[in-house]
Amino acid sequence: AQKVTQAQTEISVVEKEDVTLDCVYETRDTTYYLFWYKQPPSGELVFLIRRNSFDEQNEISGRYSWNFQKSTSSFNFTITASQVVDSAVYFCALSEEAAGNKLTFGGGTRVLVKP
Amino acid sequence: DGGITQSPKYLFRKEGQNVTLSCEQNLNHDAMYWYRQDPGQGLRLIYYSQIVNDFQKGDIAEGYSVSREKKESFPLTVTSAQKNPTAFYLCASSRETGLSGELFFGEGSRLTVL
Repeated sequence: AQKVTQAQTEISVVEKEDVTLDCVYETRDTTYYLFWYKQPPSGELVFLIRRNSFDEQNEISGRYSWNFQKSTSSFNFTITASQVVDSAVYFCALSEEAAGNKLTFGGGTRVLVKP
Repeated sequence: DGGITQSPKYLFRKEGQNVTLSCEQNLNHDAMYWYRQDPGQGLRLIYYSQIVNDFQKGDIAEGYSVSREKKESFPLTVTSAQKNPTAFYLCASSRETGLSGELFFGEGSRLTVL
């Protein structure tokens, strides 16, 4: 069965600090997708990134970067030089081809960036 | 602007009553989904529909029902059979019919059972 663990329930940082969100997943499938979503206070989830299991290249998008390591089943997310607008709940998610690609979400990590 | 509209934003219900949550999208997406969010548990899939007039149960479908008579609309009914309906409900859609596609979410409906 697929499972996603976000061990950090809440992280508090001061503006301009870097923050790394951990995501560890479990899957028996060789073909799967990993996602990160952001949920701001307004409630809707916003897609940040999708990575398939065959693409281990790390990715950088502005102040966001992702580190995918199959050897440790992790897909960590780093926000560099955090800003108050980064305050939100962040979800890691997994979908397996064998499970019909249904998304399984982690419990989320609440990030609070203080000015 | 294209997007997903959920209504109502807040809803109160007495025990034993059914309630229907609305979800409308104008993104021309084929696939639509309903998720339930409880504190600390992430999102769990209730139902999904990949095409009009067809839908599938997700992981926690008991006590819920849906319909998909139009491409734009995917209403969710929380029935009196749902034991613990107080939660935040999120509707989503995706342009890809496979579930590995990027999801677009509405702003959610918060249901409280009194």
